[in-house]
Amino acid sequence: AQSVTQLDSQVPVFEEAPVELRCNYSSSVSVYLFWYVQYPNQGLQLLLKYLSGSTLVKGINGFEAEFNKSQTSFHLRKPSVHISDTAEYFCAVSDLGGSQGNLIFGKGTKLSVKP
Amino acid sequence: DADVTQTPRNRITKTGKRIMLECSQTKGHDRMYWYRQDPGLGLRLIYYSFDVKDINKGEISDGYSVSRQAQAKFSLSLESAIPNQTALYFCATGTGWGTEAFFGQGTRLTVV
Repeated sequence: AQSVTQLDSQVPVFEEAPVELRCNYSSSVSVYLFWYVQYPNQGLQLLLKYLSGSTLVKGINGFEAEFNKSQTSFHLRKPSVHISDTAEYFCAVSDLGGSQGNLIFGKGTKLSVKP
Repeated sequence: DADVTQTPRNRITKTGKRIMLECSQTKGHDRMYWYRQDPGLGLRLIYYSFDVKDINKGEISDGYSVSRQAQAKFSLSLESAIPNQTALYFCATGTGWGTEAFFGQGTRLTVV
């Protein structure tokens, strides 16, 4: 069965600094990968997704992620964060095997951007 | 109007009570999901439905039941609520493999 590991539960960073949120997955078959963001008291919103093709995926709000098949990783990056990026970020995987395409989520990373 | 609507948004209930959380969608998607979010545990799948006649248990279905009344409606019931079911519950919809899920705003349930 597939699983998702988000390596950092909390990431504090100063405004305008770069940030990387790490995500590793395990699956024995081809996968689709997603990053979601959850702002306080809100639902989850899709940031970006990798289905196939270019391993560098660009999303909303200046975020991007790189799929690395050999390292089974899908890290999220932003070159310069804003206060408004403070939120919880979830990595998710969907594979073509036993999960029937359902999304399996990591435990989340809380990004705290400080002035 | 939201594409995926959950009611109620907040609910406090007593141990042993039956409670139903409702979800409706206007996206026309066949797939609907119920997830539970707990701090530090991420989102865990409770039940999912691929169409009105196809309902499946997820990772943590014990203590929960669901009903898919129509393509657009998917409700989650706690037959006898217990305090460790206190959590944030999300309904989501989707169209299948390789596509993202679309989430409602969540229902914050507290069992006292």
